[in-house]
Amino acid sequence: EVQLVESGGGLVQPGGSLRLSCAASGFTFSSYWMSWVRQAPGKGLEWVANIKQDGSEKYYVDSVKGRFTISRDNAKNSLYLQMNSLRAEDTAVYYCARDEADYWGQGTLVTVSS
Amino acid sequence: QSALTQPASVSGSPGQSITISCTGTSSDVGGYNYVSWYQQHPGKAPKLMIYDVSNRPSGVSNRFSGSKSGNTASLTISGLQAEDEADYYCSSYTSSSTLPYVFGTGTKVTVL
Repeated sequence: EVQLVESGGGLVQPGGSLRLSCAASGFTFSSYWMSWVRQAPGKGLEWVANIKQDGSEKYYVDSVKGRFTISRDNAKNSLYLQMNSLRAEDTAVYYCARDEADYWGQGTLVTVSS
Repeated sequence: QSALTQPASVSGSPGQSITISCTGTSSDVGGYNYVSWYQQHPGKAPKLMIYDVSNRPSGVSNRFSGSKSGNTASLTISGLQAEDEADYYCSSYTSSSTLPYVFGTGTKVTVL
């Protein structure tokens, strides 16, 4: 059974940093692109970033470029999202998703507020 | 990175069929057969319902079907049931963005 479990969310002040993790199991992690998708409270879904199987290609939505970094550790079956210079508009539930989002984690809430 | 356009809401009575549209451009919906549909119940993670325009993942009811014509993709739910009340999002591969995929604006389906 495919499982994706996010962690690392929480309350952070504007300008602060947070690192999200996603632990994957039930499939060959190293064979799939992986993505982060977020959903602001009461809003729609937004692709944030995705990363190729070997980490050689990474893509970001314009609003997070230069502030967020997606990475992965295939030996640990884990996906990460390093978020720096956080803004109020980054407040959202962040989901880890496999490939083109055929499987999703349960999400982790990031709240940016003073 | 503009979102694909979906109607804000669609409603129907139990047993009826409804269709949700997802309009993009030739750089996304119209140019590729990589359209997916997701169902999201309140407080839950999205669930994949349709991929590659018209394919259903294992376990998804055959009451859900997808199609595409030009720059518009559609999700049809037949035999509407109370449990189908949820938000629905389309997604498409896109060549006009820094990310390879884009979501639709989302549609709230209400079962009357």
